[in-house]
Amino acid sequence: KNEVEQSPQNLTAQEGEFITINCSYSVGISALHWLQQHPGGGIVSLFMLSSGKKKHGRLIATINIQEKHSSLHITASHPRDSAVYICALLKGGTGNQFYFGTGTSLTVIP
Amino acid sequence: DAGVTQSPTHLIKTRGQHVTLRCSPISGHKSVSWYQQVLGQGPQFIFQYYEKEERGRGNFPDRFSARQFPNYSSELNVNALLLGDSALYLCASSYVGLPPFFGQGTRLTVV
Repeated sequence: KNEVEQSPQNLTAQEGEFITINCSYSVGISALHWLQQHPGGGIVSLFMLSSGKKKHGRLIATINIQEKHSSLHITASHPRDSAVYICALLKGGTGNQFYFGTGTSLTVIP
Repeated sequence: DAGVTQSPTHLIKTRGQHVTLRCSPISGHKSVSWYQQVLGQGPQFIFQYYEKEERGRGNFPDRFSARQFPNYSSELNVNALLLGDSALYLCASSYVGLPPFFGQGTRLTVV
């Protein structure tokens, strides 16, 4: 069993829809990151969470440490949001090593 | 700052050959990590280096090796290439406690 599980694996939405991507994990963490990967490979960090909730524009990320669960929400989705979204863990005590989920491929249709 | 730079961007090798991939971190970042991303999957951790020392190694065979230089740049070496080594190889640099910055990756194709 993977230490990081993401769902759904693929998601197609109409422009303007509210989108939720989920991440569950089974190990102790020092931080959880949500990453965005565009076609061609480039990855950017969207959020780093260790507790609570963060918001940046139309993106909201939440984490529940007790339940070992995090969600990434996109409000008023837009075709430019189409990308792969990856949940990545920094495991406690492992320095700066990341453990990645398999990613959620999001396509937003105009 | 140019961000994390990786070279080459694309590479085609034949089975059994050796490959060297290079990564230059963001200025001031002393930690460099390498990841392999096979098509359709999330990245898998290969190595982490901090201050020129190996700080972590993922579940990869000994054909994979890496090093970090005094200027904090890094090389990933893969010997005796297999078809299954075809992947996007990502390098990430970070400063302690802050989110990582990823390079654009090197797309390796083994034929």
